[in-house]
Amino acid sequence: AQTVTQSQPEMSVQEAETVTLSCTYDTSESDYYLFWYKQPPSRQMILVIRQEAYKQQNATENRFSVNFQKAAKSFSLKISDSQLGDAAMYFCAYRSGDTLAGSYQLTFGKGTKLSVIP
Amino acid sequence: GAGVSQSPSNKVTEKGKDVELRCDPISGHTALYWYRQSLGQGLEFLIYFQGNSAPDKSGLPSDRFSAERTGGSVSTLTIQRTQQEDSAVYLCASSLGTGTGSPLHFGNGTRLTVT
Repeated sequence: AQTVTQSQPEMSVQEAETVTLSCTYDTSESDYYLFWYKQPPSRQMILVIRQEAYKQQNATENRFSVNFQKAAKSFSLKISDSQLGDAAMYFCAYRSGDTLAGSYQLTFGKGTKLSVIP
Repeated sequence: GAGVSQSPSNKVTEKGKDVELRCDPISGHTALYWYRQSLGQGLEFLIYFQGNSAPDKSGLPSDRFSAERTGGSVSTLTIQRTQQEDSAVYLCASSLGTGTGSPLHFGNGTRLTVT
């Protein structure tokens, strides 16, 4: 079974600065997808960024980018120019690419609580 | 609606009572998921529906938990004889298809408190 580990329960960053959230995962598969979700106090999980394992290029979405190290099974999220609205819980998630196995569920880490200091 | 809608937003119930949680997925989304989020924990998979296929119930923690999806749209998660350990946020999500790269779109969840 796949596992996802987020080793930082809490992080803080000064407004306008850059912060990196860590995520590692354990899998024997070669085809899979990785996601970062943001959960503000409203509780809704919001997709931040997605990475396909077969792509070597790191995904980028505006101020959010990832550092995907497939060999190391690491998938960190970098937030640049942090804003007050970035304060939230951030969850890393894994999804198998093996459709025949019906592996459509996401496996989540336990999350990192990010605080942004004005 | 524009997004996944869940009701009620909050539910307080007494131990031993039954509860029903409702989820309206995004129109046109064929896949629907239920997750449970306990305090300080990540999301725990409960059940998955895809079109007319048999649901994947492998994540349901006990036979007190059941879910159905009527007409391939609205889903109801039922918890019978609730226990205090059932207290959690129950999140529903939908996705457009079966492609494993399809992102899940989540609702705001139902916070269940069992007293």
